[in-house]
Amino acid sequence: EADIYQTPRYLVIGTGKKITLECSQTMGHDKMYWYQQDPGMELHLIHYSYGVNSTEKGDLSSESTVSRIRTEHFPLTLESARPSHTSQYLCASSEAGDGYTFGSGTRLTVV
Amino acid sequence: GEDVEQSLFLSVREGDSSVINCTYTDSSSTYLYWYKQEPGAGLQLLTYIFSNMDMKQDQRLTVLLNKKDKHLSLRIADTQTGDSAIYFCASYLGGFKTIFGAGTRLFVKA
Repeated sequence: EADIYQTPRYLVIGTGKKITLECSQTMGHDKMYWYQQDPGMELHLIHYSYGVNSTEKGDLSSESTVSRIRTEHFPLTLESARPSHTSQYLCASSEAGDGYTFGSGTRLTVV
Repeated sequence: GEDVEQSLFLSVREGDSSVINCTYTDSSSTYLYWYKQEPGAGLQLLTYIFSNMDMKQDQRLTVLLNKKDKHLSLRIADTQTGDSAIYFCASYLGGFKTIFGAGTRLFVKA
Protein backbone atom coordinates (compact mmCIF):
# COMPACT_ATOMS: atom_id res chain seq x y z
CA GLU A 1 0.00 0.00 0.00
CA ALA A 2 1.34 3.44 -0.94
CA ASP A 3 2.11 5.45 2.13
CA ILE A 4 4.50 7.76 3.97
CA TYR A 5 6.10 6.77 7.25
CA GLN A 6 7.65 8.88 9.96
CA THR A 7 9.66 7.66 12.92
CA PRO A 8 9.72 8.12 15.80
CA ARG A 9 6.16 9.24 16.62
CA TYR A 10 7.23 10.82 19.87
CA LEU A 11 10.68 11.88 21.04
CA VAL A 12 11.83 13.52 24.26
CA ILE A 13 15.46 14.54 24.17
CA GLY A 14 17.88 16.67 26.17
CA THR A 15 19.23 20.04 25.04
CA GLY A 16 22.32 19.79 22.87
CA LYS A 17 21.65 16.32 21.53
CA LYS A 18 21.79 15.50 17.83
CA ILE A 19 18.64 13.92 16.42
CA THR A 20 17.43 12.64 13.07
CA LEU A 21 13.76 12.39 12.19
CA GLU A 22 13.07 9.74 9.58
CA CYS A 23 10.64 9.96 6.68
CA SER A 24 10.10 7.38 3.95
CA GLN A 25 7.50 7.11 1.20
CA THR A 26 6.58 4.21 -1.06
CA MET A 27 4.82 6.16 -3.80
CA GLY A 28 7.86 7.14 -5.86
CA HIS A 29 7.03 10.84 -5.50
CA ASP A 30 9.80 13.22 -6.51
CA LYS A 31 8.69 16.09 -4.29
CA MET A 32 9.02 15.83 -0.54
CA TYR A 33 8.55 18.38 2.23
CA TRP A 34 9.10 18.99 5.92
CA TYR A 35 6.66 21.18 7.83
CA GLN A 36 6.80 22.39 11.41
CA GLN A 37 3.49 22.69 13.20
CA ASP A 38 2.74 23.64 16.77
CA PRO A 39 -0.21 21.42 17.82
CA GLY A 40 -3.35 22.38 15.91
CA MET A 41 -1.76 25.51 14.46
CA GLU A 42 -0.52 26.68 11.06
CA LEU A 43 1.96 24.69 9.01
CA HIS A 44 5.33 26.25 8.27
CA LEU A 45 7.46 24.88 5.42
CA ILE A 46 11.04 24.35 6.59
CA HIS A 47 12.57 22.21 3.81
CA TYR A 48 11.62 20.73 0.48
CA SER A 49 13.14 18.58 -2.22
CA TYR A 50 12.41 18.20 -5.92
CA GLY A 51 14.24 14.90 -6.15
CA VAL A 52 17.48 13.09 -5.40
CA ASN A 53 20.31 15.45 -4.44
CA SER A 54 17.95 18.45 -4.50
CA THR A 55 17.12 20.20 -1.21
CA GLU A 56 16.01 23.74 -0.48
CA LYS A 57 15.11 25.75 2.60
CA GLY A 58 11.50 26.74 3.03
CA ASP A 59 9.80 29.87 4.27
CA LEU A 60 10.50 29.34 7.97
CA SER A 61 14.08 29.66 9.06
CA SER A 62 15.19 26.45 10.68
CA GLU A 63 18.42 25.19 12.22
CA SER A 64 17.75 21.74 10.82
CA THR A 65 19.26 20.16 7.72
CA VAL A 66 17.92 17.55 5.29
CA SER A 67 19.32 15.14 2.75
CA ARG A 68 17.84 13.30 -0.25
CA ILE A 69 20.12 10.50 -1.32
CA ARG A 70 17.28 8.18 -2.32
CA THR A 71 13.89 9.08 -3.78
CA GLU A 72 11.99 7.38 -0.98
CA HIS A 73 13.96 8.77 1.98
CA PHE A 74 14.07 12.37 3.30
CA PRO A 75 15.53 12.56 6.81
CA LEU A 76 15.70 15.76 8.86
CA THR A 77 18.58 16.35 11.29
CA LEU A 78 18.98 18.73 14.20
CA GLU A 79 22.67 18.96 15.12
CA SER A 80 22.02 20.46 18.56
CA ALA A 81 18.47 20.36 19.87
CA ARG A 82 17.10 23.30 21.87
CA PRO A 83 13.82 23.81 23.74
CA SER A 84 12.72 26.20 20.95
CA HIS A 85 12.72 23.16 18.60
CA THR A 86 9.87 21.60 20.57
CA SER A 87 7.09 21.13 18.01
CA GLN A 88 5.45 18.63 15.68
CA TYR A 89 7.30 17.84 12.46
CA LEU A 90 5.27 16.65 9.48
CA CYS A 91 6.75 15.05 6.38
CA ALA A 92 4.81 15.02 3.10
CA SER A 93 5.23 14.03 -0.51
CA SER A 94 3.41 14.99 -3.69
CA GLU A 95 3.18 14.53 -7.41
CA ALA A 96 2.13 17.52 -9.59
CA GLY A 97 -1.19 18.96 -8.33
CA ASP A 98 -2.53 15.80 -6.72
CA GLY A 99 -2.22 17.17 -3.23
CA TYR A 100 0.07 16.10 -0.44
CA THR A 101 0.27 12.80 1.35
CA PHE A 102 1.33 13.46 4.93
CA GLY A 103 2.97 11.21 7.45
CA SER A 104 1.60 10.89 10.99
CA GLY A 105 4.20 13.32 12.31
CA THR A 106 6.93 13.29 14.94
CA ARG A 107 6.18 15.16 18.14
CA LEU A 108 9.49 16.41 19.48
CA THR A 109 10.03 17.71 23.01
CA VAL A 110 13.43 19.13 23.95
CA VAL A 111 14.00 19.43 27.69
CA GLY B 1 1.22 38.55 -0.98
CA GLU B 2 -0.05 34.99 -1.02
CA ASP B 3 -2.46 34.20 1.77
CA VAL B 4 -5.24 31.78 2.67
CA GLU B 5 -7.69 32.76 5.40
CA GLN B 6 -10.20 30.69 7.33
CA SER B 7 -12.36 31.28 10.38
CA LEU B 8 -10.86 29.56 13.41
CA PHE B 9 -13.88 27.82 14.92
CA LEU B 10 -17.18 26.25 13.89
CA SER B 11 -19.62 24.44 16.13
CA VAL B 12 -22.56 22.40 14.81
CA ARG B 13 -25.02 19.82 16.11
CA GLU B 14 -24.77 16.22 15.04
CA GLY B 15 -26.87 15.62 11.92
CA ASP B 16 -26.70 19.24 10.75
CA SER B 17 -24.65 20.42 7.78
CA SER B 18 -21.31 22.14 8.36
CA VAL B 19 -19.99 24.80 6.04
CA ILE B 20 -16.35 25.78 6.35
CA ASN B 21 -15.25 28.83 4.40
CA CYS B 22 -11.90 29.90 2.99
CA THR B 23 -10.64 32.87 1.01
CA TYR B 24 -7.38 33.04 -0.92
CA THR B 25 -5.53 35.90 -2.52
CA ASP B 26 -3.54 34.45 -5.41
CA SER B 27 -5.56 34.17 -8.62
CA SER B 28 -2.94 31.84 -10.11
CA SER B 29 -4.06 29.02 -7.80
CA THR B 30 -4.48 25.93 -9.95
CA TYR B 31 -5.79 23.48 -7.35
CA LEU B 32 -7.53 24.12 -4.06
CA TYR B 33 -7.58 21.48 -1.36
CA TRP B 34 -9.29 20.55 1.85
CA TYR B 35 -7.35 18.55 4.42
CA LYS B 36 -8.55 17.09 7.72
CA GLN B 37 -6.34 16.76 10.79
CA GLU B 38 -7.35 14.73 13.82
CA PRO B 39 -5.57 15.18 17.17
CA GLY B 40 -1.99 13.97 17.16
CA ALA B 41 -2.07 12.99 13.49
CA GLY B 42 -0.87 14.30 10.16
CA LEU B 43 -3.11 15.93 7.58
CA GLN B 44 -5.35 13.77 5.42
CA LEU B 45 -6.39 14.97 1.96
CA LEU B 46 -10.20 15.03 1.86
CA THR B 47 -10.91 16.46 -1.54
CA TYR B 48 -9.68 18.99 -4.04
CA ILE B 49 -11.04 21.07 -6.88
CA PHE B 50 -9.36 22.28 -10.02
CA SER B 51 -9.54 26.03 -10.53
CA ASN B 52 -11.75 25.80 -13.64
CA MET B 53 -14.49 23.95 -11.73
CA ASP B 54 -17.33 25.50 -9.74
CA MET B 55 -18.40 22.52 -7.70
CA LYS B 56 -17.31 19.04 -6.76
CA GLN B 57 -19.31 16.52 -4.79
CA ASP B 58 -17.91 13.43 -3.11
CA GLN B 59 -20.37 11.54 -0.90
CA ARG B 60 -21.09 13.82 2.10
CA LEU B 61 -18.61 16.46 0.95
CA THR B 62 -19.43 19.33 -1.42
CA VAL B 63 -16.81 21.85 -2.48
CA LEU B 64 -17.88 25.15 -3.98
CA LEU B 65 -15.45 27.50 -5.69
CA ASN B 66 -16.17 31.12 -6.54
CA LYS B 67 -13.12 32.09 -8.52
CA LYS B 68 -14.23 35.70 -8.99
CA ASP B 69 -14.40 36.25 -5.22
CA LYS B 70 -11.53 33.81 -4.52
CA HIS B 71 -13.79 31.96 -2.10
CA LEU B 72 -13.82 28.24 -1.40
CA SER B 73 -16.20 26.36 0.85
CA LEU B 74 -16.51 22.81 2.15
CA ARG B 75 -19.95 21.53 3.08
CA ILE B 76 -20.21 18.37 5.17
CA ALA B 77 -23.70 16.91 5.08
CA ASP B 78 -25.11 15.02 8.08
CA THR B 79 -22.15 15.96 10.29
CA GLN B 80 -21.10 13.25 12.74
CA THR B 81 -19.04 13.42 15.94
CA GLY B 82 -16.25 11.68 14.01
CA ASP B 83 -16.03 14.75 11.80
CA SER B 84 -14.71 16.80 14.73
CA ALA B 85 -11.23 17.83 13.62
CA ILE B 86 -9.25 20.73 12.18
CA TYR B 87 -9.91 21.42 8.50
CA PHE B 88 -7.22 23.14 6.44
CA CYS B 89 -7.81 24.91 3.18
CA ALA B 90 -4.79 25.03 0.84
CA SER B 91 -3.99 26.71 -2.45
CA TYR B 92 -1.51 25.17 -4.91
CA LEU B 93 0.46 27.75 -6.89
CA GLY B 94 2.74 25.36 -8.78
CA GLY B 95 6.14 23.80 -8.12
CA PHE B 96 6.72 23.38 -4.40
CA LYS B 97 4.38 26.23 -3.45
CA THR B 98 1.26 25.31 -1.50
CA ILE B 99 -0.18 27.89 0.90
CA PHE B 100 -2.11 26.51 3.86
CA GLY B 101 -4.69 28.35 5.93
CA ALA B 102 -4.50 28.35 9.72
CA GLY B 103 -7.24 25.71 9.99
CA THR B 104 -10.87 25.72 11.14
CA ARG B 105 -11.64 23.75 14.30
CA LEU B 106 -14.93 21.94 13.84
CA PHE B 107 -16.77 20.91 17.01
CA VAL B 108 -19.70 18.56 16.61
CA LYS B 109 -22.13 18.43 19.53
CA ALA B 110 -24.04 15.21 20.11
